[in-house]
Amino acid sequence: DQQVKQNSPSLSVQEGRISILNCDYTNSMFDYFLWYKKYPAEGPTFLISISSIKDKNEDGRFTVFLNKSAKHLSLHIVPSQPGDSAVYFCAASGGYGGSQGNLIFGKGTKLSVKP
Amino acid sequence: DTGVSQDPRHKITKRGQNVTFRCDPISEHNRLYWYRQTLGQGPEFLTYFQNEAQLEKSRLLSDRFSAERPKGSFSTLEIQRTEQGDSAMYLCASSLPRGLESYEQFFGPGTRLTVL
Repeated sequence: DQQVKQNSPSLSVQEGRISILNCDYTNSMFDYFLWYKKYPAEGPTFLISISSIKDKNEDGRFTVFLNKSAKHLSLHIVPSQPGDSAVYFCAASGGYGGSQGNLIFGKGTKLSVKP
Repeated sequence: DTGVSQDPRHKITKRGQNVTFRCDPISEHNRLYWYRQTLGQGPEFLTYFQNEAQLEKSRLLSDRFSAERPKGSFSTLEIQRTEQGDSAMYLCASSLPRGLESYEQFFGPGTRLTVL
């Protein structure tokens, strides 16, 4: 069973508007969450992260929100730009079967930003 | 370039052959991870090292797979008797150890393996 779920395989938004990417998790022991962006034929690039003791983290156009009671996090991109078009992965760390090492990834959401 | 590097970037092999991939992490990172990614999936954890010690292995890592990090710097991932199901992107990542402020893992460009 998937511990990290990204239920929207794709999302299309207009340039300049807000992009909201969602992620749900099932393991309440996860203590750190990350978003990665991936272009074709490249490795994932770290974007932004949040500790479970916080509910918001902001970095320029990117903001991540964490709702622990709902086991839900979201990534907001404002304003969206065509260069943001990529696959976005949500990942979680910590507490998984006692592991302190690996990241658990969702399946990704493909974002398309149209000019 | 101070990022994570992987070699080769692409590998095509015939079923039954052995292949070996190399990863060079960011120099000050003592943790090194291997992941595998197939089409439509996120990266899946295979194994990780802290310095030269292999601390965890996933159930995905069958007996045909072996990873080493002999001097705590670069790492190799070997797949013996490759099968078509081994075709995937193999990703390497490195990080500082947990307990420090930064938990982020930084990924290399990956090695694309195709088994014919």
